[in-house]
Amino acid sequence: QVQLVQSGAEVKKPGSSVKVSCKASGGTFHDSVISWVRQAPGQGLEWMGGIIPMFGRTNYAQKFQGRVTISADERTYTAYMDLSSLRSDDTAVYFCARWAGSCASSCHPAWTPPLDFWGQGTLVTVTS
Amino acid sequence: EIVLTQSPGTLSLSPGDRATLSCRASQSITRNYVAWYQQRPGQAPRLLIYGASFRVAGTPDRFSGSGSGRDFTLTIRRLEPEDSALYYCQTYGTSLTFGGGTKVEI
Repeated sequence: QVQLVQSGAEVKKPGSSVKVSCKASGGTFHDSVISWVRQAPGQGLEWMGGIIPMFGRTNYAQKFQGRVTISADERTYTAYMDLSSLRSDDTAVYFCARWAGSCASSCHPAWTPPLDFWGQGTLVTVTS
Repeated sequence: EIVLTQSPGTLSLSPGDRATLSCRASQSITRNYVAWYQQRPGQAPRLLIYGASFRVAGTPDRFSGSGSGRDFTLTIRRLEPEDSALYYCQTYGTSLTFGGGTKVEI
């Protein structure tokens, strides 16, 4: 069974950066597809971007282009989401999530599938 | 970019009722790449349906998805108190877009 365990809550100042980690266990990391989704307080879900470790390729939502960096370390089965130039409206719970399927046979490098497994979420609070 | 509009915003129903949740896309969705999620308060979302109508393992058969083109529906039959939650539709493929959600109150 796939499990995703995220790093703990963060409090950041406007203009700074935050890096959230997501450690995977179960399943294969190399050919998985991992996405990051955030949810502001009382608001809906917002996709930020994703990565397929076997391609080393990232795919970002236009809104976050230039401000978000998603990466994956295959040695430690950990994905990361780094968000810079933080503003107060970046206060949200950040989730990592992954597809139950595998890109081992074939996937388009930009394949962004539905999300079967989710981390517990990481609250990032941006406040001066 | 596709915009997904969910309606109604809130559904207030009784146990045993049927819930019909709508998701309308701003343009036709390729290959019925629509998924539905359930999110209870304080929890991560849970994938219920993908490909518009395929239930994920563990999704009760009271939940069913349908639709094509621009219009998609999640139907929940014989509502139970545990079905109280927010429900989101999502389109996927080369990016993900979520609808604004429908709150189901029982």
